[in-house]
Amino acid sequence: EVQLLESGGGLVQPGGSLRLSCAASGFTFSSYAMSWVRQSPGKGLEWVSGISGSDNSRSYAESVKGRFTISRDNSKNTLYLQMNSLRAEDTAVYYCAKEDSNWYYFDYWGQGTLVTVSS
Amino acid sequence: DIQMTQSPSSLSASVGDRVTITCRASQSISSYLNWYQQKPGKAPKLLMYVASSLQSGVPSRFSGSGSGTDFTLTISSLQPEDFATYYCQQSYSTIPYTFGQGTKLEIK
Repeated sequence: EVQLLESGGGLVQPGGSLRLSCAASGFTFSSYAMSWVRQSPGKGLEWVSGISGSDNSRSYAESVKGRFTISRDNSKNTLYLQMNSLRAEDTAVYYCAKEDSNWYYFDYWGQGTLVTVSS
Repeated sequence: DIQMTQSPSSLSASVGDRVTITCRASQSISSYLNWYQQKPGKAPKLLMYVASSLQSGVPSRFSGSGSGTDFTLTISSLQPEDFATYYCQQSYSTIPYTFGQGTKLEIK
């Protein structure tokens, strides 16, 4: 059974940093691209960042480029999102999601972790 | 970026009704269109992929169609557990992936 378990969310002041983790199990982690998708309170879904299975490709939404860094440790089956220079508008539930290899849809999602940026 | 526009934004319907939600892309995305269902406080769940393929375990009352720029998600006979918010997502252009704004399906 595929499982994705996020952690690391919390309350942080504007300008602060936070690192999210997503522990994966139930599939060959290194074979699949992964993404982070966020959802601000009461709002829709926004793709944030993605990384290939072998970590030879990383991509970011314009809204987080230069502030967020996605990475993965295939030996630990874990995906990360390092978030720096956080802003109030980064407040959201952050989901990690597994990508299908051929058609790039998100077939499995974690339960999400809440990040609140506030003074 | 490819813009995804869903209609309607909200919809009231009754158990047993047939419901259709539309998603339009700002440019052709072939069949790279996926649908997700989200219930309050829960993660999104994949319903349909590649426009018309039903994800394993999803009831057959859900169906999808379309290609190019216009797509639909149809629920043939609404069940109580179907009341949720539905999102379309294009995976034709992966940087960035984009979602529709969502359609909230409520009980009439």
